[in-house]
Amino acid sequence: QSALTQPASVSGSPGQPITISCTGTGNDVGSYNLVSWYQQSPGKAPKLIIYEIARRPSGVSNRFSASKSGNTASLTISGLQAEDEGDYYCCSYVHTGGWVFGGGTKLTVL
Amino acid sequence: EVQLVESGGGLVQPGRSLRLSCSASGFTFADHDMHWVRQSPGKGLEWVSHVSWDSGTITYADSVKGRFTISRDNAKSSLYLQMNNVTAEDTAIYYCAKDKGVWQLVGMDVWGQGTTVTVSS
Repeated sequence: QSALTQPASVSGSPGQPITISCTGTGNDVGSYNLVSWYQQSPGKAPKLIIYEIARRPSGVSNRFSASKSGNTASLTISGLQAEDEGDYYCCSYVHTGGWVFGGGTKLTVL
Repeated sequence: EVQLVESGGGLVQPGRSLRLSCSASGFTFADHDMHWVRQSPGKGLEWVSHVSWDSGTITYADSVKGRFTISRDNAKSSLYLQMNNVTAEDTAIYYCAKDKGVWQLVGMDVWGQGTTVTVSS
């Protein structure tokens, strides 16, 4: 169960878009639609922002979108806002029946 | 309001045991799979274990397999994690999380506030 690969950090200016990648293998991201993304602010529990590759839970801004191609999933935040700062984690179901998270990406809004 | 409240964390010596609990409210607990996820200090999220809505399917991360046991009591809307033979690497905030799907896996849509486990002599 090796962690999915995410960039350690990304940054962008307010109003700009950013994309966070999440690379797995054919045993996880590449084989299942059960890919989700979580946002975590310091000292807080994670919050689900995307599930089943690209679906947004009720109440999550439509500035968050996601997709998958092969073994790589991607999260895009359009129109960056200061409140978007935090850590972002991808997560995928694994063929062994468990789940695996990415190492996390720290988003800084400049 | 949908809510998960963890308890049972604390300071434990290496090799000892600890039992975490998670009390659920505001939703039909028996309809949803549940997970335990942990986060070591300053580190990322690590999935620990999952139990299906009917306890028919249980899975563990390799790092805890054989030492941790997940269970649930649908009558009490409660989730548990029995942690045996703990090591310093088990030091973390432990979150319980509800799966969004009904009788199926989708993703973890509700999280508790976490309970802190510190393993130290």
